[in-house]
Amino acid sequence: QVYLVESGGGVVQPGGSLRLSCAASGFSFSNYGMNWVRQAPGKGLEWVTFIHYDGTNKYYADSVKGRFTITRDNSMNTLYLQMNSLRSEDTAVYYCAKGKRFLEWLPSYFDSWGQGTLVTVSS
Amino acid sequence: AIQLTQSPSSLSASVGDTVTITCRASRAISTALAWYQHKPGNAPNLLICDASSSESGVPSRFSGSGSGTDFTLTISSLQPEDFATYYCQQFNTYPPITFGQGTRLEIK
Repeated sequence: QVYLVESGGGVVQPGGSLRLSCAASGFSFSNYGMNWVRQAPGKGLEWVTFIHYDGTNKYYADSVKGRFTITRDNSMNTLYLQMNSLRSEDTAVYYCAKGKRFLEWLPSYFDSWGQGTLVTVSS
Repeated sequence: AIQLTQSPSSLSASVGDTVTITCRASRAISTALAWYQHKPGNAPNLLICDASSSESGVPSRFSGSGSGTDFTLTISSLQPEDFATYYCQQFNTYPPITFGQGTRLEIK
């Protein structure tokens, strides 16, 4: 059984920073690409970023490029999202999502998701 | 970026009904399309990938079809647990990965 547990959400002022974590278990973490997907209040799902299984390649949505950084620690089975220069439009539930394909080079489908962590950017 | 347009945006149906949700891509994406079910407070759940391949454990009443720009998700014999929001998602042309705006399926 795959488990993904996000943490680190909270309330932060515009311009501030926050780091999210996602603890993974139940699968061979180092063999799968990982993603962050978010959902703003009352809105749909938005893909945010992907990291290759070994951390060598990363891709970002234009809306967060240059402000967010995805990293992973395969020895700790943990995914991270460092969020800087936060804006009100970054307010959302952030989901950690596992890539479906073994050793995938690019993001494709998301076959397991965490329950999400809420980030609120407000003064 | 490829845009995905779902229709309808919301839908009311009764237990036992058959419903169809459509997803149209702004450019051809072959069969690089998935469908997810999302219930409030829960994690989204992958139902269908590659346009028509059902994930393990997904009830057979869920089926997907289509290729190119036009795709459908059909839910036959609706069950109470099927009332949720459904999203399509493409990865054919990257970046970025995109989702449809969602279809909210409500009980009549």
